[in-house]
Amino acid sequence: EAQVTQNPRYLITVTGKKLTVTCSQNMNHEYMSWYRQDPGLGLRQIYYSMNVEVTDKGDVPEGYKVSRKEKRNFPLILESPSPNQTSLYFCASSLSGGVSKNIQYFGAGTRLSVL
Amino acid sequence: AQKITQTQPGMFVQEKEAVTLDCTYDTSDPSYGLFWYKQPSSGEMIFLIYQGSYDQQNATEGRYSLNFQKARKSANLVISASQLGDSAMYFCAMRGYSSASKIIFGSGTRLSIRP
Repeated sequence: EAQVTQNPRYLITVTGKKLTVTCSQNMNHEYMSWYRQDPGLGLRQIYYSMNVEVTDKGDVPEGYKVSRKEKRNFPLILESPSPNQTSLYFCASSLSGGVSKNIQYFGAGTRLSVL
Repeated sequence: AQKITQTQPGMFVQEKEAVTLDCTYDTSDPSYGLFWYKQPSSGEMIFLIYQGSYDQQNATEGRYSLNFQKARKSANLVISASQLGDSAMYFCAMRGYSSASKIIFGSGTRLSIRP
């Protein structure tokens, strides 16, 4: 089954404790992206990757890191989480970047609480 | 700068009625793509419909259609014969040619269908 898999689904942590949210896709997609969703703000792009070893900042990259060492994986790293990073996070992938009908497929989401 | 505006935070509609969810956008790109996603209470993001800026006809996907008015920069989602299962958050999103790797979302509209 074609899918984007995020782990964990739920995470409670404390300020300053490094964490990684994993994302994996099995569709051989070139493009992958991370979003955070906050009430009243919709989804905001954190980082995206056009292909292996190619990553770039979205609109809200501060406090986050990513890497793309393999095509299928795109982990999100919070080196020193803070309470303002409490949010719902989504990973997504599409065949490529571009304005054509590149449908993004989303993971199930990771709900993160930073105390 | 690109922007998506959804002016209806919430809507109530009677079952079986048609409903229009508003989306306006701002971009200077000559080419762009517009997407609508549905997010039910379970949290997943579901792709509904796509409209390319150069598409000659308005997009349709089953009960979903997109009322695309390029001159007004609007891309309203129309759901015909609404069903209880249509109750969800709906997001409008855009990808512009000049920054096709970046995708921006609106703040969303929460649609509630009354039986």
